[in-house]
Amino acid sequence: DTAVSQTPKYLVTQMGNDKSIKCEQNLGHDTMYWYKQDSKKFLKIMFSYNNKELIINETVPNRFSPKSPDKAHLNLHINSLELGDSAVYFCASATPGQEFETQYFGPGTRLLVL
Amino acid sequence: GQNIDQPTEMTATEGAIVQINCTYQTSGFNGLFWYQQHAGEAPTFLSYNVLDGLEEKGRFSSFLSRSKGYSYLLLKELQMKDSASYLCAVRDLDSSYKLIFGSGTRLLVRP
Repeated sequence: DTAVSQTPKYLVTQMGNDKSIKCEQNLGHDTMYWYKQDSKKFLKIMFSYNNKELIINETVPNRFSPKSPDKAHLNLHINSLELGDSAVYFCASATPGQEFETQYFGPGTRLLVL
Repeated sequence: GQNIDQPTEMTATEGAIVQINCTYQTSGFNGLFWYQQHAGEAPTFLSYNVLDGLEEKGRFSSFLSRSKGYSYLLLKELQMKDSASYLCAVRDLDSSYKLIFGSGTRLLVRP
């Protein structure tokens, strides 16, 4: 069974469109994260939710809006997509106080904006 | 500011030993992680250090010196499957458990 899953795995879309990426974890973790990995492989945190509450919001354009319906799910909605949004987006989860708070990553969503 | 430095690329021979260095300057420190990422895949956890010294886990070991802001990952008996990127990440001291990643070291293992 996949511990952290993301859909879709690949997403190709036109500039200006709105798209969503979904993430689910079955590890029972309290905290979930969204990361962006650019073409230079630099992994940068975007958002983090703990028990459905936003706790990290890095300097990310307002076009990006995370939503956590419950602690097992964290979705990412992107409005008015731009060329620079092309990247791999990784979801991750962890539980503070357990296993050194090791973060477990999903398989990634490869977004290409044309 | 926050800065994590790693070499961009390294090459080593199958069966050999390789050391990947990481230096960091962060506003706080609450542990250092090493992750392995194969091309096109997700990062996977390798090791964690929060106290100075060496942590050994099979063929992989990780060392930390907090006073020097320095860590290394040591890979022994290299195998072809060890060809991957190795990401150094520091957990910030605040309560958000934020990980700050370096840009990763791409390791190529040759026969």
